[in-house]
Amino acid sequence: QLQLQESGPGLVKPSETLSLTCTVSGGSISSSSYYWGWIRQPPGKGLEWIGSIYYSGSTYYNPSLKSRVTISVDTSKNQFSLKLSSVTAADTAVYYCARHAAITMIVVVIPTYFDYWGQGTLVTVSS
Amino acid sequence: DIVMTQTPLSLSVTPGQPASISCKSSQSLLHSDGKTYLYWYLQKPGQSPQLLIYEVSSRFSGVPDRFSGSGSGTDFTLKISRVEAEDVGVYYCMQGIHLPKTFGQGTKVEIK
Repeated sequence: QLQLQESGPGLVKPSETLSLTCTVSGGSISSSSYYWGWIRQPPGKGLEWIGSIYYSGSTYYNPSLKSRVTISVDTSKNQFSLKLSSVTAADTAVYYCARHAAITMIVVVIPTYFDYWGQGTLVTVSS
Repeated sequence: DIVMTQTPLSLSVTPGQPASISCKSSQSLLHSDGKTYLYWYLQKPGQSPQLLIYEVSSRFSGVPDRFSGSGSGTDFTLKISRVEAEDVGVYYCMQGIHLPKTFGQGTKVEIK
């Protein structure tokens, strides 16, 4: 059974960088059929896709966050990570990692939907 | 960005009764490969979202058959034939073909 587990600090100071890691178990992050993504949910609000990464390192980011986001992958550890810089209180949210099913469009592999999610981790931005 | 608009935003349902949620996208989700990239998720209280329906009408593994999806192009519907207590939570639609991936605002379903 595929499992994803987020880890990282639950409290980050304004202007600093939020860093989270997602550890995947029960499946290989190097599968050609999937991207691996991050989604966030501010308290009491809806879902916002942050970005996704392929095992090769290819990434797609939400343009609204692109200037501040870096997603990386470590296939040797079956992990992928999120860094969000210059955080403010508006970045306070539950952050989820998820498996992002991919399709091949001619020669490009693109992510479509999320099929398995981690339990989520609350990150609060506060001094 | 593709805007996903759900109605209603909240729903109170008597157990055993049907429920229906609408989702409209600002652009067609039909791709040239013939597939329509519309998905439904349920986020139960205190849990992460779980996939219910993929590509408009296909139930994900383990999803009860009281859940069904329909629609085409820009208009979609999730139906629960007979609501059970375990169906409470927030339902989200999501489009998976355009970038960035976007979700509807969510529809909160509660039991009367």
